[in-house]
Amino acid sequence: GQNIDQPTEMTATEGAIVQINCTYQTSGFNGLFWYQQHAGEAPTFLSYNVLDGLEEKGRFSSFLSRSKGYSYLLLKELQMKDSASYLCAVKSDYKLSFGAGTTVTVRA
Amino acid sequence: DTEVTQTPKHLVMGMTNKKSLKCEQHMGHRAMYWYKQKAKKPPELMFVYSYEKLSINESVPSRFSPECPNSSLLNLHLHALQPEDSALYLCASSYVWRETPRSTDTQYFGPGTRLTVL
Repeated sequence: GQNIDQPTEMTATEGAIVQINCTYQTSGFNGLFWYQQHAGEAPTFLSYNVLDGLEEKGRFSSFLSRSKGYSYLLLKELQMKDSASYLCAVKSDYKLSFGAGTTVTVRA
Repeated sequence: DTEVTQTPKHLVMGMTNKKSLKCEQHMGHRAMYWYKQKAKKPPELMFVYSYEKLSINESVPSRFSPECPNSSLLNLHLHALQPEDSALYLCASSYVWRETPRSTDTQYFGPGTRLTVL
């Protein structure tokens, strides 16, 4: 099975930056995804990394180090609507396994 | 357009009922998935269909029966469920499934069906 770890909760102020770390142990790595999920809603795709390095998409960036089994999602210029759960998902043997999610609370 | 639709949004059923969940996408995706998500837990993979063929069944009990009538539709037939099967059932699709690592296998999720089994 997969072992995917991410912090349970994080709190930050509106306009600030938050970094959500994800570590994983897996066999047959096919890629790492980040999803955002608001309570009671479906996960929404944010980013995808398969090679080492940084991928930037607007206010969101994601980094991957395959040798360290480590990724992070960086959220910049936080807005109240960014309050949600952020799921790190690793594709291994072509199956997607999710971490437990990090609940981010943005405060005014 | 990355829309996956699911019906119904909510479903309440008794343990002796038979019901079906429906999922539809018109993005030309050839892979479709069913996930189960319990409250405050991450989604768990149930089934994978690739080119309308069942490719993965994650040891799901037979009271859940998937069906892929065509490349745009995915159904999940439910029969004799238990109260512990109450959860959010998510459908997802991607352009391909078993492909060398590319963004074309990014999965897009529908809004889910919230199922309550009494």
